[in-house]
Amino acid sequence: SQQGEEDPQALSIQEGENATMNCSYKTSINNLQWYRQNSGRGLVHLILIRSNEREKHSGRLRVTLDTSKKSSSLLITASRAADTASYFCATGFRYNTDKLIFGTGTRLQVFP
Amino acid sequence: SQTIHQWPATLVQPVGSPLSLECTVEGTSNPNLYWYRQAAGRGLQLLFYSVGIGQISSEVPQNLSASRPQDRQFILSSKKLLLSDSGFYLCAWSRTPLAKNIQYFGAGTRLSVL
Repeated sequence: SQQGEEDPQALSIQEGENATMNCSYKTSINNLQWYRQNSGRGLVHLILIRSNEREKHSGRLRVTLDTSKKSSSLLITASRAADTASYFCATGFRYNTDKLIFGTGTRLQVFP
Repeated sequence: SQTIHQWPATLVQPVGSPLSLECTVEGTSNPNLYWYRQAAGRGLQLLFYSVGIGQISSEVPQNLSASRPQDRQFILSSKKLLLSDSGFYLCAWSRTPLAKNIQYFGAGTRLSVL
C-alpha cells in the first residue's frame, strides 16, 4: 500500500500540553502536507513542507521532515480543547504531481 | 474567492439502487478534482481524480465511476450500490500543479447503504 502510516492512532492530552504526531511514508515525495478534520467534516489544510525543507512553522504548529527516514512529525504546542480533531499527513509524489496520498490519521483529544 | 459545494450531506440508499453525488467548484478555472472515501475512523482512500474535462483517473477498481462533464463539476456514480459502498465521501479541488498547491475539501456526504 502506498498509504502513509501515522503514529499514534489516538492521543489524549490536557490543555496546555504539547501534542506530537508522526507520519511515515514509502515513496519519494515532492512535498508533505498536514490536514485537520473535525468530526464528520471535510479536511482543512494546515501546513505544507517541501522535500528540500527540514522544518517549518505556522503559529503553534511545527512540522519536521526527514526524507532519509521517510518520516515527518507535527507538533502542536500549548494545545487547546479546540485542537481536538483528527490529523492527517498527505504526501505528494515526485513522479505524479496530480494527487496526494493520505495517511491513516491521528485522533487527538484535548481535555480542558 | 473559491468555494466547493458537495451534496447531499447525508444519503440513505437501499442495496442495488443507483447513486449520483455531485460536486461543484466556484471561483476558479481548470481545477484538479478529486473523490475520496473515508471509512469510519479511518484515513482517506483516493477513488478518482481528474485534471480536465472528460479526463478521469481511477485509483481503485470498484463499483463506482466518476465523470467530469464540465470544468468545475465532478460526479460520482454507481449503477447498483453495495453494502460496502457505505462511507463518508469527500470531494476536493486543487490548483495545478498540485506539487505547489494544496487541496480544498467539501463538507462531505455520508452515505449509508442498507
